[in-house]
Amino acid sequence: DVKVTQSSRYLVKRTGEKVFLECVQDMDHENMFWYRQDPGLGLRLIYFSYDVKMKEKGDIPEGYSVSREKKERFSLILESASTNQTSMYLCASSFSRGGHSNTGELFFGEGSRLTVL
Amino acid sequence: AQKITQTQPGMFVQEKEAVTLDCTYDTSDQSYGLFWYKQPSSGEMIFLIYQGSYDEQNATEGRYSLNFQKARKSANLVISASQLGDSAMYFCAMREDPSGAGSYQLTFGKGTKLSVIP
Repeated sequence: DVKVTQSSRYLVKRTGEKVFLECVQDMDHENMFWYRQDPGLGLRLIYFSYDVKMKEKGDIPEGYSVSREKKERFSLILESASTNQTSMYLCASSFSRGGHSNTGELFFGEGSRLTVL
Repeated sequence: AQKITQTQPGMFVQEKEAVTLDCTYDTSDQSYGLFWYKQPSSGEMIFLIYQGSYDEQNATEGRYSLNFQKARKSANLVISASQLGDSAMYFCAMREDPSGAGSYQLTFGKGTKLSVIP
């Protein structure tokens, strides 16, 4: 089975702290994504990566950065956490179009619920 | 403009009845894909069903079927014989390839919360 693992299910941080959310997948997927989920807003794409050391901004990148030093790991970084970043963060991965699957199906981690006080 | 519209924030269905969750989409691409995911209260996103834009038959997976009406740009999810375990958030999503280079992205709707009543 595809496994996408997020490092923390629940985090509580203070305003101004630097926050790292880690995501690891074990299926050799090329593509990795970070989404934010808020009630009534659905899932919104923050950043994504199609290859090691590359990153692309999604729809709401402000206040976030990412790092992909290894193919299996994609980290989301909040340089200075703010209360409006309190949310559920979902990591996902998928094969590239030329890979095993051509549907683009995303495989998700269990989510990290971040509270910023 | 929203690319994926789910007009039902919440729905109720009686156990063992069928229910339809609405989804409309907006794209000018010829090649795209449509997905439905389920999110129980535990939070994990569970893939349910996929429909490609060139697929002529509606997709089915067990009790789930996707009513794909391409001209109307709708991709409604039909759940037959609802069960209590179907109570969850349901998200419709569309696959796009903005760069044209095969780098797929999924855009999600705001979701529909389904509650199954015993």
